[in-house]
Amino acid sequence: KNQVEQSPQSLIILEGKNCTLQCNYTVSPFSNLRWYKQDTGRGPVSLTIMTFSENTKSNGRYTATLDADTKQSSLHITASQLSDSASYICVVSAHTYGGSQGNLIFGKGTKLSVKP
Amino acid sequence: NAGVMQNPRHLVRRRGQEARLRCSPMKGHSHVYWYRQLPEEGLKFMVYLQKENIIDESGMPKERFSAEFPKEGPSILRIQQVVRGDSAAYFCASSDGPGELFFGEGSRLTVL
Repeated sequence: KNQVEQSPQSLIILEGKNCTLQCNYTVSPFSNLRWYKQDTGRGPVSLTIMTFSENTKSNGRYTATLDADTKQSSLHITASQLSDSASYICVVSAHTYGGSQGNLIFGKGTKLSVKP
Repeated sequence: NAGVMQNPRHLVRRRGQEARLRCSPMKGHSHVYWYRQLPEEGLKFMVYLQKENIIDESGMPKERFSAEFPKEGPSILRIQQVVRGDSAAYFCASSDGPGELFFGEGSRLTVL
């Protein structure tokens, strides 16, 4: 069964600190892995997309890693800010239907709270 | 270039009524996806549509739920005879096919 598991479920850190969120998946055949940020009451916003051949990708203070052998990904947030408080969702694409986005499997997300 | 537009943002219905949620994709996008999110849960795929065609509806309940994406106008997710369990946030996303997926802000349905 295709699944995406995220940990921790929730995390509280102090402003300025770093943190790492984890994502393990059992999705086959693998197409790509995405990290989204979802603010409370808003829609998800894409942070990174990684294919099989990519093992790290950065977007500002966000750095995602991918180990396709162990089927694990992490999202590292550097020098956290209050505005980083949100849910971070790991999404794995099983395959594409003629190049489209079919069959995305969503994790439940990690709820990050950054405190002053 | 406006993003994915969903309306209404909030909708309250009594049990047995109908709910209609609308989604206008980003300009140039012909692929639309609907997802449902329950409180403290991840997004669950419901249906994937291209203009006038349902490509994959494997995540949508067989009864009471329907979706369309007409040649003109927004995509519509329709829930007939709503029940309390239908209360959730419904998100629409669009893409141009192989490109990035963009989400709307969601429509929050509350069934009394």
